[in-house]
Amino acid sequence: GENVGLHLPTLSVQEGDNSIINCAYSNSASDYFIWYKQESGKGPQFIIDIRSNMDKRQGQRVTVLLNKTVKHLSLQIAATQPGDSAVYFCAETVSPGGKLIFGQGTELSVKP
Amino acid sequence: KAGVTQTPRYLIKTRGQQVTLSCSPISGHRSVSWYQQTPGQGLQFLFEYFSETQRNKGNFPGRFSGRQFSNSRSEMNVSTLELGDSALYLCASSLVADTQYFGPGTRLTVL
Repeated sequence: GENVGLHLPTLSVQEGDNSIINCAYSNSASDYFIWYKQESGKGPQFIIDIRSNMDKRQGQRVTVLLNKTVKHLSLQIAATQPGDSAVYFCAETVSPGGKLIFGQGTELSVKP
Repeated sequence: KAGVTQTPRYLIKTRGQQVTLSCSPISGHRSVSWYQQTPGQGLQFLFEYFSETQRNKGNFPGRFSGRQFSNSRSEMNVSTLELGDSALYLCASSLVADTQYFGPGTRLTVL
């Protein structure tokens, strides 16, 4: 994949289990956060976003939690499936649509 | 709606050459951003265009440039290619200033 050289953190889970991917963001002024999923050979795919005036947002099988006090973001995936195997990136920006700053990514591996 | 498209998907160039990559945003999207993805540096922001004007710029040398046309399509150019420019170049579009949606990328290899 694109990020092998970065020695990405890896999370290995069993199919059907819940997954939690964590991210520490860098800029306390960031007010918009996004999670992307990137499969091998593809561009990042939008999963879910959250603005700084919220601390939780839910989507289909995914939940994002934001803790501004410690500058921490997490992505929870319920009932993880083999198709969820990918690299997951968090991204932050001061204003939506501006320069996105990406985390290093976490590789999720789902065992059938 | 069709997604973000990028052409070409793959390119091989030699050091010293220049290259132009193209991006067509999602219909109706007016903002286009470019990113470089490498194993060593991850995803890094190059620049963003909105209404044919560069609105944001990352920390890349002047060899990297871009432009946007009146139909919101965008091109980026890299002159005097170096080995370290080998990367996946990603384009993302958004309506005005909101969620960015990415294309599949152009894989550039510099020999």
